[in-house]
Amino acid sequence: DAGVIQSPRHEVTEMGQEVTLRCKPISGHNSLFWYRQTMMRGLELLIYFNNNVPIDDSGMPEDRFSAKMPNASFSTLKIQPSEPRDSAVYFCASTQSAINQPQHFGDGTRLSIL
Amino acid sequence: AQRVTQPEKLLSVFKGAPVELKCNYSYSGSPELFWYVQYSRQRLQLLLRHISRESIKGFTADLNKGETSFHLKKPFAQEEDSAMYYCALSASNSGNTGKLIFGQGTTLQVKP
Repeated sequence: DAGVIQSPRHEVTEMGQEVTLRCKPISGHNSLFWYRQTMMRGLELLIYFNNNVPIDDSGMPEDRFSAKMPNASFSTLKIQPSEPRDSAVYFCASTQSAINQPQHFGDGTRLSIL
Repeated sequence: AQRVTQPEKLLSVFKGAPVELKCNYSYSGSPELFWYVQYSRQRLQLLLRHISRESIKGFTADLNKGETSFHLKKPFAQEEDSAMYYCALSASNSGNTGKLIFGQGTTLQVKP
């Protein structure tokens, strides 16, 4: 298996622009998680899905952030409009939903908002 | 409430010295715990989980329910062990969705 696949790996854009991050989970995994990692705040859970349904989006910082999972093999995290403070590494992870299963992480998207 | 605490933000040791990365958890049931490692600018990777009782790259971790701890240990640190280490707890009150509660992470720096 190729693992969790995220795109793009790097994104540099100007503030105010729309940013879309993409994630393909491991085939057969039915839970998907979006995290944000910064030096100041560490690893933060933004939102997660189970069987394509959003379960908890309490970590989404503002209405500018939205996430979708239209099918079992694809999810997007969108920021509109983007701001410099959104600069971070965004990770996607997936797992089979069971209590003792680990999450598998993608390589992340390094986002810089100028 | 379920919580994972890693009290040290940074741990710096010399090569060959023993290492112990601390992890304490708060959980009312029977915990499932993991250690993840993140090398510089890479993804988080599963290092080990307590249910497996295995040793990976010389690291071990023992669950101590009395002290609610799951400390990560290695007898002789190597420079290539320098990385960020996260302790994580499987959150059973999430309805078995696979959610993990992560600690704040500890950066291990192994000096030559």
